[in-house]
Amino acid sequence: DADVTQTPRNRITKTGKRIMLECSQTKGHDRMYWYRQDPGLGLRLIYYSFDVKDINKGEISDGYSVSRQAQAKFSLSLESAIPNQTALYFCATSDSGSGAVGYTFGSGTRLTVV
Amino acid sequence: GDSVTQMEGPVTLSEEAFLTINCTYTATGYPSLFWYVQYPGEGLQLLLKATKADDKGSNKGFEATYRKETTSFHLEKGSVQVSDSAVYFCALSASGGSEKLVFGKGTKLTVNP
Repeated sequence: DADVTQTPRNRITKTGKRIMLECSQTKGHDRMYWYRQDPGLGLRLIYYSFDVKDINKGEISDGYSVSRQAQAKFSLSLESAIPNQTALYFCATSDSGSGAVGYTFGSGTRLTVV
Repeated sequence: GDSVTQMEGPVTLSEEAFLTINCTYTATGYPSLFWYVQYPGEGLQLLLKATKADDKGSNKGFEATYRKETTSFHLEKGSVQVSDSAVYFCALSASGGSEKLVFGKGTKLTVNP
């Protein structure tokens, strides 16, 4: 099994619908992140969580919300999806105790809003 | 705020050619620097990293040296292969390396046989 699992892998939804993207990890990492990837824009941080009781906005949090249900689970919600939220979404984890070793990424969720 | 600038792609090379992908950064203090690679249809994987000035990160034939004087972390490989075709991202983490990553926009590399 993958260390960081994202579900679903692909999703098509209609404008105005609520949708949740889920992320779970078996790394035992305390920190989790949600990024979106758009062509030509790289990865932009949506939300991040340094532990279960700590949630922080990233650079593009408008229109999104998150929930850290447990150390291993971090979900991203679009309350009312709009077409410009069509993107590839990545969850990532890191360990605060291991210094600059970088992140572990999930395989991504491709979301299309029509 | 912190930022990363990488050369725009796409980059197309023939097999066994030399690769350079430029990356410069703006940050306060002493960030840690990373190169990530994204193969088609996959998530990002850490390729190499450097945590202090003059450190050289290396992996799979790729190298990058942390140059504080030029705020650069250019990625190089002496002889690329078709299997190196991917998107490459330069990234930084603020001082201490435990902060969130800031990514460049990515450079798509295509290597032709």
